[in-house]
Amino acid sequence: EPEVTQTPSHQVTQMGQEVILRCVPISNHLYFYWYRQILGQKVEFLVSFYNNEISEKSEIFDDQFSVERPDGSNFTLKIRSTKLEDSAMYFCASRRTGAAIEQYFGPGTRLTVT
Amino acid sequence: GQQLNQSPQSMFIQEGEDVSMNCTSSSIFNTWLWYKQDPGEGPVLLIALYKAGELTSNGRLTAQFGITRKDSFLNISASIPSDVGIYFCAGSNSGGSNYKLTFGKGTLLTVNP
Repeated sequence: EPEVTQTPSHQVTQMGQEVILRCVPISNHLYFYWYRQILGQKVEFLVSFYNNEISEKSEIFDDQFSVERPDGSNFTLKIRSTKLEDSAMYFCASRRTGAAIEQYFGPGTRLTVT
Repeated sequence: GQQLNQSPQSMFIQEGEDVSMNCTSSSIFNTWLWYKQDPGEGPVLLIALYKAGELTSNGRLTAQFGITRKDSFLNISASIPSDVGIYFCAGSNSGGSNYKLTFGKGTLLTVNP
């Protein structure tokens, strides 16, 4: 069964460094998302992406964040200058069509900023 | 923003028992989804509810989309040890076909064998 994959599974970085989190959505899906989950808290929406552009972003998704679909399979989240409070699990999700509501999540990348 | 309240926060049950958990919102959602999350893993989709009043089953799981569109419940029948995990409800609205999800804080389920 197709699934969303994410790399790396764990990333440790120093404050102020740039990180790129990578996702490969399910191959025939058209809508892509990033969410984050701070330890012990609920999952929070960051950004949605469709047709090679951002369709919506949350207040969390400030100028330090960017997303890109550099080719037909990858979807990336870049944090330009990481802060301690960026430490969290980051989940990529994808959805097949405009009418389908089911979002399928990847296993996540645990980002630790020291 | 929209808030989802899940209850109970945690449950401790014996294997074989039935479980019920729910999710309420102060505002309307057009669709509801239920996810299960194991420690260190991503949320796994259990059930998607497309319209108010809908009752949908997936094996031992049954979920309903409340008629007011402000609530949903999830039932698990005859629980087994692998049902342990955190169960999240998530609501979305279809503005622009975006369907971003708003999650509840989760119900932690522990099943004693």
